[in-house]
Amino acid sequence: EAQVTQNPRYLITVTGKKLTVTCSQNMNHEYMSWYRQDPGLGLRQIYYSMNVEVTDKGDVPEGYKVSRKEKRNFPLILESPSPNQTSLYFCASSTLQGAEDTQYFGPGTRLTVL
Amino acid sequence: DAKTTQPPSMDCAEGRAANLPCNHSTISGNEYVYWYRQIHSQGPQYIIHGLKNNETNEMASLIITEDRKSSTLILPHATLRDTAVYYCIVRVAFWTGNQFYFGTGTSLTVIP
Repeated sequence: EAQVTQNPRYLITVTGKKLTVTCSQNMNHEYMSWYRQDPGLGLRQIYYSMNVEVTDKGDVPEGYKVSRKEKRNFPLILESPSPNQTSLYFCASSTLQGAEDTQYFGPGTRLTVL
Repeated sequence: DAKTTQPPSMDCAEGRAANLPCNHSTISGNEYVYWYRQIHSQGPQYIIHGLKNNETNEMASLIITEDRKSSTLILPHATLRDTAVYYCIVRVAFWTGNQFYFGTGTSLTVIP
């Protein structure tokens, strides 16, 4: 089954404790992306990657890092989480072939930083 | 500044067409308009996208004005399962990849 998986689905942590949210896709997609969703603000793009070792900042990259060492994985790293990073996070992937770059979204990770 | 603006909520009677508007007055010539929907807090689901021509698929139709400053998503026969938040999105292409700008969404309630 084609899917995007995220782990963990729920996480409660404390300020300053480094954490990683993993994202994996099994569709051989070139493009992967991370979003955060906050009430009243919709989804905002954090980082995206066009392929292995190619990443770029989205709209709200401050406080986040990403890496793309393998095509299927795109982890989101919070080196020193703060309470304003409490949010619902989504990973997405898509092909870059032709005009069909529909993004497939993961189930989301709900993060709470105390 | 937001690239898209949408009404926060709308109601639609079951079986009738739902017309969801979106303004994207600053859109550039090579920027696509996408629509996704989100049910509860699940991952958003793709509906349709277009550049300048009207588009139709099995889920919906997308009508883009000639000046491309606004668009309308049409669900031709709304059902209760279409109750969701609908996002209008502008895709901006950079040489490093595509950046997607989501609006704040329209919460559509389909009423029996």
